[in-house]
Amino acid sequence: SQQGEEDPQALSIQEGENATMNCSYKTSINNLQWYRQNSGRGLVHLILIRSNEREKHSGRLRVTLDTSKKSSSLLITASRAADTASYFCATSNGQNFVFGPGTRLSVLP
Amino acid sequence: IAGITQAPTSQILAAGRRMTLRCTQDMRHNAMYWYRQDLGLGLRLIHYSNTAGTTGKGEVPDGYSVSRANTDDFPLTLASAVPSQTSVYFCATRDGLNQPQHFGDGTRLSIL
Repeated sequence: SQQGEEDPQALSIQEGENATMNCSYKTSINNLQWYRQNSGRGLVHLILIRSNEREKHSGRLRVTLDTSKKSSSLLITASRAADTASYFCATSNGQNFVFGPGTRLSVLP
Repeated sequence: IAGITQAPTSQILAAGRRMTLRCTQDMRHNAMYWYRQDLGLGLRLIHYSNTAGTTGKGEVPDGYSVSRANTDDFPLTLASAVPSQTSVYFCATRDGLNQPQHFGDGTRLSIL
């Protein structure tokens, strides 16, 4: 069964707006990671947040983690057309990863 | 350029045929993974290898086998392909715990 579930399944915004994607999971984790996938390509790692961390930043990306609610969010600020892609969260128990079905983000120019 | 090479990039295969998907890395990462990606289901783990000489089963291992004779190569074999194995297959590596995975560009496989 899927560990992570992203929400929403699809999101369409205008360039310059912020995009927020959420991820919920079911069991305890060691870390949670967000990945991006452009059409026809492999996944690219964005951010890793450990279970004892609450927030991390990387450029225009901000990730939060609430282990009490078993949820995480990915915020992309000042979105660009080039941010159009699918975004996946993946949870890890330290060994393997379980991916959610992803959020398809479309940023309109 | 360091990275992961998957071959072939795409393949159309008749049901019942044997097929090996190749994955080679030059980053010397210990852990390697095979996933399949199907629309609406995200990535599902088929098999993994934590280090050369060891392999393990993932979420959907049936119909697939792997080997890890050395650090760099992790081939995935479909002994007798079936249409439900039509998917995009991704190989990934990882360099230790609490580290991200690195992905190849995938193999698009169609079983007719």
